[in-house]
Amino acid sequence: QKEVEQNSGPLSVPEGAIASLNCTYSDRGSQSFFWYRQYSGKSPELIMFIYSNGDKEDGRFTAQLNKASQYVSLLIRDSQPSDSATYLCAVNAGTYKYIFGTGTRLKVLA
Amino acid sequence: DAGVTQSPTHLIKTRGQQVTLRCSPKSGHDTVSWYQQALGQGPQFIFQYYEEEERQRGNFPDRFSGHQFPNYSSELNVNALLLGDSALYLCASSLGSYISGNTIYFGEGSWLTVV
Repeated sequence: QKEVEQNSGPLSVPEGAIASLNCTYSDRGSQSFFWYRQYSGKSPELIMFIYSNGDKEDGRFTAQLNKASQYVSLLIRDSQPSDSATYLCAVNAGTYKYIFGTGTRLKVLA
Repeated sequence: DAGVTQSPTHLIKTRGQQVTLRCSPKSGHDTVSWYQQALGQGPQFIFQYYEEEERQRGNFPDRFSGHQFPNYSSELNVNALLLGDSALYLCASSLGSYISGNTIYFGEGSWLTVV
């Protein structure tokens, strides 16, 4: 079992819809969770981080964490074509390294 | 406020050669981590440097080595290059005072092609 799993996609949503990206992790000791966006040919940029169970909202983005189910998700409301990218989930289990999933490719259709 | 800077941005090397990649962390940050991202994969942790010492290492062979300087900048060295070393090499900077929860910020990366 991979440490951090994401559906590779592509996930296609129409412009203006809600995109839902999911991530599961295997280490129950994981403490902090991050979502990065990566455009093709570019480096990952941080979108959000979440530490506690529940929801955290930042503009059009909402991160959701359920530690009991070992599940973290990212919702993007009012999706725009500029949101088309690969979204990487990263988990930190209290060590110095971050473990990344392989990413989900999102396509927002105009 | 300078972000994370990396050099060179692109380079091509031949199998068996050696390469050095450089990184300057974000202003105010003292910790540098290096990640390798192969095509279609997520970044893989190589190692982290703090106070000029390697603090943790991922599952990479000894051909991968690094260094951190007193000004917090860092170098990644890869010896005896293999075709499989072709990847985007990402430097990530953070504050090293806490073990977990510190957000890491990536530079633009160095694209290495081994032929």
